[in-house]
Amino acid sequence: QITLKESGPTLVKPTQTLTLTCTFSGFSLSTSGVGVGWIRQPPGKALEWLALIYWNDDKRYSPSPKSRLTITKDTSENQAVLTMTNMDPVDTATYYCAYKTGDRPFDYWGQGTLVTVSS
Amino acid sequence: DIQMTQSPSTLSASVGDRVTITCRASQSIYSWLAWYQQNPGKAPKLLIYKASSLESGVPSRFSGSGSGTEYTLTISSLQPDDFATYYCQQYYTYSSWTFGQGTKVEIK
Repeated sequence: QITLKESGPTLVKPTQTLTLTCTFSGFSLSTSGVGVGWIRQPPGKALEWLALIYWNDDKRYSPSPKSRLTITKDTSENQAVLTMTNMDPVDTATYYCAYKTGDRPFDYWGQGTLVTVSS
Repeated sequence: DIQMTQSPSTLSASVGDRVTITCRASQSIYSWLAWYQQNPGKAPKLLIYKASSLESGVPSRFSGSGSGTEYTLTISSLQPDDFATYYCQQYYTYSSWTFGQGTKVEIK
């Protein structure tokens, strides 16, 4: 059974760095073909893919906030970590992590965590 | 980047109606398209992958079709649980994935 759960601060100040952790079970990020991605959703708005890390440490980023994003993994801890620098109120959103494998889309999602950016 | 355009943005329908949602890609995505359903406060749920493959456990009233740049999600007979927001997503490119703007299906 695959499960994912996001954790991190619920409130950050503008210009601060956000660090979110996705802790998962039921799979390993060292298994060939497996990836964990991050997707966000501002309140009342659409989903936006941010980043993805593969089992082989290949990393992909959305062009939009690319320079502000870093994704890493800790295989031994079953975690994927997203860091976003220079946070702005427009980054207020629910942040989801999700699992994919092979040529499938994201088929397992965490419950999401709401991050508010405000002074 | 590949842009995904969904239509309509809102759709009013009644239980039992046949509903169709369209997603257009800015270039061919060769059927690498998924559809998700999202209820308020919940994570998206995968319904369809590879444009027309039904995810395990998803009711057969959901179907997907299309090719190239044009894709559709059809709900053959709308049920109360189906009032939700639907998103398409292209996953053709290995390095970037994009979602449509969403279609909210509301009660007429």
